[in-house]
Amino acid sequence: RKEVEQDPGPFNVPEGATVAFNCTYSNSASQSFFWYRQDCRKEPKLLMSVYSSGNEDGRFTAQLNRASQYISLLIRDSKLSDSATYLCVVSGGGSSNTGKLIFGQGTTLQVKP
Amino acid sequence: NAGVTQTPKFRVLKTGQSMTLLCAQDMNHEYMYWYRQDPGMGLRLIHYSVGEGTTAKGEVPDGYNVSRLKKQNFLLGLESAAPSQTSVYFCASTNGGDPHRQFFGPGTRLTVL
Repeated sequence: RKEVEQDPGPFNVPEGATVAFNCTYSNSASQSFFWYRQDCRKEPKLLMSVYSSGNEDGRFTAQLNRASQYISLLIRDSKLSDSATYLCVVSGGGSSNTGKLIFGQGTTLQVKP
Repeated sequence: NAGVTQTPKFRVLKTGQSMTLLCAQDMNHEYMYWYRQDPGMGLRLIHYSVGEGTTAKGEVPDGYNVSRLKKQNFLLGLESAAPSQTSVYFCASTNGGDPHRQFFGPGTRLTVL
């Protein structure tokens, strides 16, 4: 079983739609959670951190459910420029803070005009 | 600031050849990482370094060696390339204060024939 699992998609949605991605992780010791964005043939970039209380950044909302080991990302009012692969990322856990990250395989979003 | 740079951008090797990938960062970051990204697999950590002169193994270290002689550079070596090492290699760096916010280089596309 993969440590971080995502539905690879692709999700094809029209402009203006609301779309949600989900992710599950297996290491209950993980402390930090993130969504990274990766454009085609480019490097990943941090989109947002995910906090237990849920957090919002403009059109993007992230939620964390520690009991179910489940993370979500909601995108409202989708734009063409949101087309990308979204990577669910979890810290490696453990007591030493080495910054080790575990990446999901990514969910591809294609926003159509 | 150039951020994180990687050299070369593309390379084709024959089985058994050796090469070194160079990662350089100008952000004075303490931590540096090498990942590989394969279709359907997500990014996987090869080796990492938490400071000049230190290195440690990640999830998939076999067949690779690394060195961090200078704080700004992190080298990844393939002593005897194999077709299974065909991949996209990303380097990342971060500071110790927020080690999970990683900044990635543009990647090196390596093909081993």
